[in-house]
Amino acid sequence: EVQLVESGGGLVKPGGSLRLSCLASGFTFNRYSMNWVRQAPGKGLEWVSSISGSSNFIYYGDSLKGRITTSRDTAKNSLYLQMDSLRPDDTAVYYCARGSSLGTYTPDYWGQGTLVTVSS
Amino acid sequence: QSVLTQPPSVSAAPGQRVTISCSGSSSNIGNNFVSWYQQFPGAAPKLLIFENDKRPSGIPDRFTGSKSGTSAALGITGLQTGDEADYYCGTWDNSLSAVVFGGGTKLTVL
Repeated sequence: EVQLVESGGGLVKPGGSLRLSCLASGFTFNRYSMNWVRQAPGKGLEWVSSISGSSNFIYYGDSLKGRITTSRDTAKNSLYLQMDSLRPDDTAVYYCARGSSLGTYTPDYWGQGTLVTVSS
Repeated sequence: QSVLTQPPSVSAAPGQRVTISCSGSSSNIGNNFVSWYQQFPGAAPKLLIFENDKRPSGIPDRFTGSKSGTSAALGITGLQTGDEADYYCGTWDNSLSAVVFGGGTKLTVL
């Protein structure tokens, strides 16, 4: 069974940093691309970043570009999102999502999400 | 402003059929597979349709997906009150090098 479990969310002050983690299980981690997707309160889904299975390709959305770094560790079956210079409008639930089995980045399985609140 | 365009809301009576549209362009829907997601309040999105028209195991055949040109659609037949949720379409955009989503459609079963 595919499982994705995010952690690392919480309350952070504007300008602060957070590192989100996503622990994957139930599939061969390095064979799949992975994504971060966020959802602000009451809003729709917003793609944040994608990373290929080999980490050779990493893509970032415009909203957070320059302030985030996506990485993965195959040995730990884990995906990471380092977020810096956080702003109040970065407040959202951040989801980890696996890329589809066809090798594209479009998500199939999603984690339960971790809430990031940016407030003073 | 989302790259993919969905109606903000749709509604229909129990037992009826509803269709949710998703409009894009040649850089996204026109040349890539489309997925559809169902999201209940307070829950994570769940895959309903992948590769335009395929259902994951466990998704009832009341849910169908289709694609034509630069548009896609999700059809739901035999509507149930339990289908009330937000629905999103998503795909890859070749020009943006990004996953793109529609703005979401809230389904109300009257």
